[in-house]
Amino acid sequence: AQSVTQLGSHVSVSEGALVLLRCNYSSSVPPYLFWYVQYPNQGLQLLLKYTSAATLVKGINGFEAEFKKSETSFHLTKPSAHMSDAAEYFCAVSPSGGSYIPTFGRGTSLIVHP
Amino acid sequence: DTAVSQTPKYLVTQMGNDKSIKCEQNLGHDTMYWYKQDSKKFLKIMFSYNNKELIINETVPNRFSPKSPDKAHLNLHINSLELGDSAVYFCASSQGLAGGQDTQYFGPGTRLTVL
Repeated sequence: AQSVTQLGSHVSVSEGALVLLRCNYSSSVPPYLFWYVQYPNQGLQLLLKYTSAATLVKGINGFEAEFKKSETSFHLTKPSAHMSDAAEYFCAVSPSGGSYIPTFGRGTSLIVHP
Repeated sequence: DTAVSQTPKYLVTQMGNDKSIKCEQNLGHDTMYWYKQDSKKFLKIMFSYNNKELIINETVPNRFSPKSPDKAHLNLHINSLELGDSAVYFCASSQGLAGGQDTQYFGPGTRLTVL
């Protein structure tokens, strides 16, 4: 079984500030990890994913995430927030074997202040 | 062309009614999903089909019945609608089997409101 915990249901930053969205996972097998973004009134779209290649993963719109096995974390960062980054962000985990059910975290709402 | 499309976008109906939501993907993917997103944005998988075969069926009331006429379509029929069914329903697709490293592509969602 696997699970995902996103710390903080809301994160508020100023435009130009660092964005850090936290995700911790638990999985009995090596996981695949994803970050998806949901803009208002839209479906989810992939930002980036970890598939056991490089531990530092770069995604779209300047986001990146680092897989840290020792900390069971996959935090999402962006050096400088833009107003257009305001959205809901979901971390998700899929096992690399066994049950194929993907599990999503409860989401973090990113608020960007001018 | 929209990769994953859903109809209708909005659905308002009375308790006890039966309704359907349709989903189509033109990505040539083998696997399709239905998710329910509640008012707190929590996203929960309901069903997954691979090549028209049901492979994931989470603890969903049997009032919900998915149907996949072909691998490009996955429809969701809901009988005897209840207030608690009000949510946004997302269809998604991915290339391979459910889970794994494949990216899921989501539709725009169907906002169901049960009065």
